[in-house]
Amino acid sequence: QKEVEQDPGPLSVPEGAIVSLNCTYSNSAFQYFMWYRQYSRKGPELLMYTYSSGNKEDGRFTAQVDKSSKYISLFIRDSQPSDSATYLCAMSRVNAGGTSYGKLTFGQGTILTVHP
Amino acid sequence: DTAVSQTPKYLVTQMGNDKSIKCEQNLGHDTMYWYKQDSKKFLKIMFSYNNKELIINETVPNRFSPKSPDKAHLNLHINSLELGDSAVYFCASSRTSGTGGGETQYFGPGTRLLVL
Repeated sequence: QKEVEQDPGPLSVPEGAIVSLNCTYSNSAFQYFMWYRQYSRKGPELLMYTYSSGNKEDGRFTAQVDKSSKYISLFIRDSQPSDSATYLCAMSRVNAGGTSYGKLTFGQGTILTVHP
Repeated sequence: DTAVSQTPKYLVTQMGNDKSIKCEQNLGHDTMYWYKQDSKKFLKIMFSYNNKELIINETVPNRFSPKSPDKAHLNLHINSLELGDSAVYFCASSRTSGTGGGETQYFGPGTRLLVL
């Protein structure tokens, strides 16, 4: 079993829809949770990161972490064709000082297409 | 200005050859990484260097040897290339892992390696 599981999709939605992307994980030591977006033939770019449990909002994007269920989500409101990309969740542990090790463990990525 | 750059973008070579991929970042970061992304888009860390010192070394064949001449550069040399080495290799950089910055990694555009 992989440490981080993510449904690869593909997911196809109409423009304006609310998109929900999810990951589950098995390692309870993960404390930093990230979402990266990767356009075709490009490198991943960081969208958002959260530390421990809770919600974080940035424009049309909301990240949620539920550590009790080992489940994280990314919501995209009012989705646009420009949101079409692969979305990768990533996680890392922390050291005794409470800071990140920098070793990211990625999910497989979900391919999202938003059609006009 | 490109933040994290890699050369070459494409590399097509025969089995058994030796090749190198170069990475440079101009973000002033002191931690750099190599990742491998397979055909299913699964992104996995290979190595990490902090201030020219190797800090992460995942289970990677010793045919792969990273070298960091200074903290702005991290190169990857691969000996005796095999068919299974075909993948996209991404370089990334971040602030020092261990101060809360390791999770914010900036990725290069990738090097697409095809071994024939």
